[in-house]
Amino acid sequence: DGGITQSPKYLFRKEGQNVTLSCEQNLNHDAMYWYRQDPGQGLRLIYYSQIVNDFQKGDIAEGYSVSREKKESFPLTVTSAQKNPTAFYLCASKRGTGEKLFFGSGTQLSVL
Amino acid sequence: RKEVEQDPGPFNVPEGATVAFNCTYSNSASQSFFWYRQDCRKEPKLLMSVYSSGNEDGRFTAQLNRASQYISLLIRDSKLSDSATYLCVVNKGSARQLTFGSGTQLTVLP
Repeated sequence: DGGITQSPKYLFRKEGQNVTLSCEQNLNHDAMYWYRQDPGQGLRLIYYSQIVNDFQKGDIAEGYSVSREKKESFPLTVTSAQKNPTAFYLCASKRGTGEKLFFGSGTQLSVL
Repeated sequence: RKEVEQDPGPFNVPEGATVAFNCTYSNSASQSFFWYRQDCRKEPKLLMSVYSSGNEDGRFTAQLNRASQYISLLIRDSKLSDSATYLCVVNKGSARQLTFGSGTQLTVLP
């Protein structure tokens, strides 16, 4: 079945550590997105990519980095520069001309 | 003012009740509108798109009022399974400009 797979489901970060969240899709979608959700809040855009080897900053990109070396994969690294990383992270994708977003099941990141 | 604003609720309604949510948006250039449903600590799922003419899907009806810049979602004959957070989403037309509201929490009580 086609879909988006995020891993891990839960992740713990020590202070000063970089951690990477995985996002893989087999929907052949061109565009991929990373969102952050804090309790009681909507989704805020961290980074997005519309094509392989190209990505753009979203509204809250500071402290995060991404890569898009393959169409299927869009990993997000939460760097030590992100001082408040505890949140629910959602990866999404869509066809280039389509509007419907397909979401992964999310990763809950917490700080030890 | 936030780009997309929703009443956070919570809305607590009895089973069988009709409940309505509103969502206002600030940018008149917004082109597409959606309602997503999100269960606790799960991914959002598209409930329905919102068209200018209004649209209905079973017990759910969505309306768009461009003049007043709001969209609405009406749920009739509420079920326990409708308990969730409902997110209003507005797309201004480019890849990045998909803005989410903070959500309205609904609890349907037996």
